[in-house]
Amino acid sequence: QVQLVESGGGLVKPGGSLRLSCAASGFTFSDHYLTWIRQAPGKGLEWVSYISDSSHYTNFPDSVNGRFTISRDNARNSLYLQMNSLRVEDTAVYYCARDRGENDIIGYFDSWGQGTLVTVSS
Amino acid sequence: EIVMTQSPATLSVSPGERVTLSCRASQSVSTNLAWYQQKPGQPPRLLIYDASTRATGIPASFRGSGSGTEFTLTISSLQSEDFAIYYCQQYNHWPSLTFGGGTRVEIK
Repeated sequence: QVQLVESGGGLVKPGGSLRLSCAASGFTFSDHYLTWIRQAPGKGLEWVSYISDSSHYTNFPDSVNGRFTISRDNARNSLYLQMNSLRVEDTAVYYCARDRGENDIIGYFDSWGQGTLVTVSS
Repeated sequence: EIVMTQSPATLSVSPGERVTLSCRASQSVSTNLAWYQQKPGQPPRLLIYDASTRATGIPASFRGSGSGTEFTLTISSLQSEDFAIYYCQQYNHWPSLTFGGGTRVEIK
């Protein structure tokens, strides 16, 4: 079955960097757009980044644009999120999720990982 | 940015009751709306997409409806496993995807 497993979270100081990974299995990884979505403690969901199936297209909301980079390695069935210039408000559980569409974006997510916690604190 | 507003924030209900959750968009999202269920310590699970289509494995007790700016998720008879937080999400205004703030359904 579809499986997404995040890793790389941890405690980092404000201004620091962290790289999250998401290992995928159980589906044709290269056929799907992928995304990172975060959830601050006790709060709702916020979309963080998107990458197309071939990596040609990426997108970010203003809150992380210029600080976060998303990438993928289709040969390794892996998704990444490079987070730089981290702020206290970036503290959240970060989920990777699969867009339901194949070779095209639909915009909703039918499979999610369990998440990895990023804590930004001095 | 499209703002998604869910109401109420918390709903206290008894098992077996019918529940109606509301989601409103600040501008039309057509039927490009999804609903997710999230239980403590778990990731969200897709329930409904295209406003009214149940995702794979979702029981018929979950029903989505609406279009434009007003949407509803109805649970016909609440089971113990349905106590959770429910989020709506619009995907009409790509690439800006936005979620509602959630409705917590708790045991009365």
